Amino acid sequence: QVHLVQSGGEVKEPGASVKVSCKASGYTFMTSDISWFRQAPGQGPEWMGWVSAYNGVTNYAQKFQGRITMTTDTSTSTAYMELGNLRSDDTAVYYCAREYMLRGINWLDPWGQGTLVTVSS
Amino acid sequence: EIVLTQSPATLSLSPGERATLSCRASQSVSSYLAWYQQKPGQAPRLLIYDASNRAAGIPARFSGSGSGTDFTLTISSLESEDIAVYYCQQRSSWPGTFGQGTKLEIK
Repeated sequence: QVHLVQSGGEVKEPGASVKVSCKASGYTFMTSDISWFRQAPGQGPEWMGWVSAYNGVTNYAQKFQGRITMTTDTSTSTAYMELGNLRSDDTAVYYCAREYMLRGINWLDPWGQGTLVTVSS
Repeated sequence: EIVLTQSPATLSLSPGERATLSCRASQSVSSYLAWYQQKPGQAPRLLIYDASNRAAGIPARFSGSGSGTDFTLTISSLESEDIAVYYCQQRSSWPGTFGQGTKLEIK
């Protein structure tokens, strides 16, 4: 069974950085890419970016450019998302999701369980 | 950016009733639309992909239909475990966009 297991919740001060991990199991890690989302209370998921598990190529949402880094470690089947210069409005639940191809299109299946990041002084 | 508008915002029904959720796109997305279920405190889960295909392990009471700009998620006979927010997502244009969600409540 395919699973994505994320690291635990974090509390950070404004201006700090946070690094969230996403460990994959149940499939060959390099065959599917990983997207990262975040979700504020009462809101839908917001796409943050994508990383290729095959070669590490990334594509970030414009609003995060300059303060986000996505990487993968194929030896441990783990993807990472690091967000810097945190602000209070970065407080949200952060999710990774596998980009899984079905009928020629990538869909998000499964998702990690989520990591709550709280930014507060 | 393609905007997805879901209706209604909240739906309150009794167990055993039929639920019909709507998702309208601001321009054609062909069949490149998915539905996700998010139960309270959980991550989203893929229910339907490519407008009408059930994902692995999804009960047959969930079905999707539509193409172009108008899509429907139908739950044929509601169960109490179906309490959740349901999101549609288009993948016609990268990286895709989500609707604002429909909250399903059980009376």
